[in-house]
Formats: sequence, C-alpha cells, structure tokens
Amino acid sequence: AQSVSQHNHHVILSEAASLELGCNYSYGGTVNLFWYVQYPGQHLQLLLKYFSGDPLVKGIKGFEAEFIKSKFSFNLRKPSVQWSDTAEYFCAVEEYNTDKLIFGTGTRLQVFP
Amino acid sequence: DGGITQSPKYLFRKEGQNVTLSCEQNLNHDAMYWYRQDPGQGLRLIYYSQIVNDFQKGDIAEGYSVSREKKESFPLTVTSAQKNPTAFYLCASEGRGRNEQFFGPGTRLTVL
Repeated sequence: AQSVSQHNHHVILSEAASLELGCNYSYGGTVNLFWYVQYPGQHLQLLLKYFSGDPLVKGIKGFEAEFIKSKFSFNLRKPSVQWSDTAEYFCAVEEYNTDKLIFGTGTRLQVFP
Repeated sequence: DGGITQSPKYLFRKEGQNVTLSCEQNLNHDAMYWYRQDPGQGLRLIYYSQIVNDFQKGDIAEGYSVSREKKESFPLTVTSAQKNPTAFYLCASEGRGRNEQFFGPGTRLTVL
C-alpha cells in the first residue's frame, strides 16, 4: 500500500533560519504531490502542489518544494522562517487519478523570535 | 462566503452511543471526504464520496457509516462499534478536475 513518510516530527527553529522538511512516498507510478499547513486554530489549507512540469514548485508565503522522482521525495523548503510559520505541516500524495490523498504523519514546526 | 462547515466544534458522548457529525459545503463540489486526525498519525481517510448516492470505504472505515443524499451534505456517524472514537474529525471537498481538497474546521469528538 502507498505510504508517505515525514521523518521530522518536531522542528524548532529561530526566526530567519532556513527550513527543510522531508517527505518521501512509496508509490512508483505517477503521483500528484501536496503540502498542506495547519496553523494553530485554523483550517488545514494548501501550501503548494505538484502535478507535472517544473519539479521546483513555489507556494504561498515564500515556501517551495522540489520533486525528485528518483528519490521519491518532495521536500518543503523556506530560506528564512518567520514566527508566523509556526504550524503543523503535512505532506500528501495522490496516486494519479484516484481522488484519494495519503497523508504523512505531519511535522510540527515551532519558530521562536 | 463559500466554504465547508462542520458542526459542532466540540462534541462529547458517552461510550456506547452513536453520534453523527455534520459536514456541509456550498462550493458545488462533487467529491467529499472524511478524515480522522490523531496526534502523531496524520490524517487517515475514513470514507469518501465522489458523487451523490455513492460512497466508498477509506482506510479506516470500521465503526463508521456515512450517507450522501445531497450534493452539499456528507454526514458521518460514529457508531458504538468504533473502538477508539475520541479524535479530531475533518471533512473535505473537491471540485471535479480541481485536484485540491478544501477542508472544514473540524469536530473534536470526546467519548467519555
């Protein structure tokens, strides 16, 4: 069965530090890839997504992610985090044309001023 | 405002009672989903529906039931057969061809 791994469960950073959150998936076929974010007390919302084309995708709030097919990875990055980035981040994978998302276990990010 | 509403925000029930969680969307989306979120486990799919009057089991359907009588509504019943029902439940919807799920605010169910 398809699985999604997020190896960083809890990340603590100071403001202005760089961020990289790992995401690996197990499915070998065509996939759509997503990062969702859940700010404290808010709805889960889409940060960015990759379907095809340029493997480096840019999302909201300065986030970007790179799809590396050979490594089955879709890591999330931000060059300089802010206190307002404190949230839980979820990677999700959709096997092509299934309409079903498989989520990773999430990474809790805490950014201190 | 278009969106997804879930009610109530907090729900308490005694063990052995069935409880129904509401999910309504006014986005005209065809597909709707129910997830369960537990600490350290991410979101797990309970049931989903791609069209009215049709639904499929997700990865953890045991102890749950759903209906999809109207496009805008997808209620989830947590039955007494669900062994560990205390959790945060999220509803989502997706428009045809949009490839993006939109989430509601969630219902936190506590079974005492």
